[in-house]
Amino acid sequence: EDQVTQSPEALRLQEGESSSLNCSYTVSGLRGLFWYRQDPGKGPEFLFTLYSAGEEKEKERLKATLTKKESFLHITAPKPEDSATYLCAVQAGSGGTSYGKLTFGQGTILTVHP
Amino acid sequence: DTGVSQNPRHKITKRGQNVTFRCDPISEHNRLYWYRQTLGQGPEFLTYFQNEAQLEKSRLLSDRFSAERPKGSFSTLEIQRTEQGDSAMYLCASSLIWGANVLTFGAGSRLTVL
Repeated sequence: EDQVTQSPEALRLQEGESSSLNCSYTVSGLRGLFWYRQDPGKGPEFLFTLYSAGEEKEKERLKATLTKKESFLHITAPKPEDSATYLCAVQAGSGGTSYGKLTFGQGTILTVHP
Repeated sequence: DTGVSQNPRHKITKRGQNVTFRCDPISEHNRLYWYRQTLGQGPEFLTYFQNEAQLEKSRLLSDRFSAERPKGSFSTLEIQRTEQGDSAMYLCASSLIWGANVLTFGAGSRLTVL
């Protein structure tokens, strides 16, 4: 069974204080690893997809990296508007009926204080 | 296109009543997914359609839950004889079959069972 564990559960940062969120996973045949951002009362919003170990992607103050067992979401010089829950999810398999289904972690609640 | 639309956004019902949620996906997306999210947890997969065919159902989806996607367009999720444990956010997502297969989520329908 695919499993995703995120740490820490909650992270409080001061504005400008860089840090990283961790996503550990076990999956049979990783198709892709996804990062989403979720604001209170809203659905998850897509950030990144990573497909293979060593891959990195960046968007504004966020950079996602992938190894064979975990992914990191690095936040550089965060701002209060970066406050949200960050969700990691894996997509397994190489085709068939399960293609596309995501298995999510429990999320990391990030709060950035001004 | 306005993205994935879900209605109603909030539903309060009494235990034992039936409720139905509707999801209108992005028009060109062939795949449609239902997830359930409880407070402090990541979304959990419930079921998935490719066009009008329901291809996978989670063990979480008891006999009281039924989902349909007539004509491969909008989808409905019905919960019969609601229980307090059904209280959650019900999220709908859609995606293309090919390419990056990124799931685009709606804002969700929040169910409160009294």
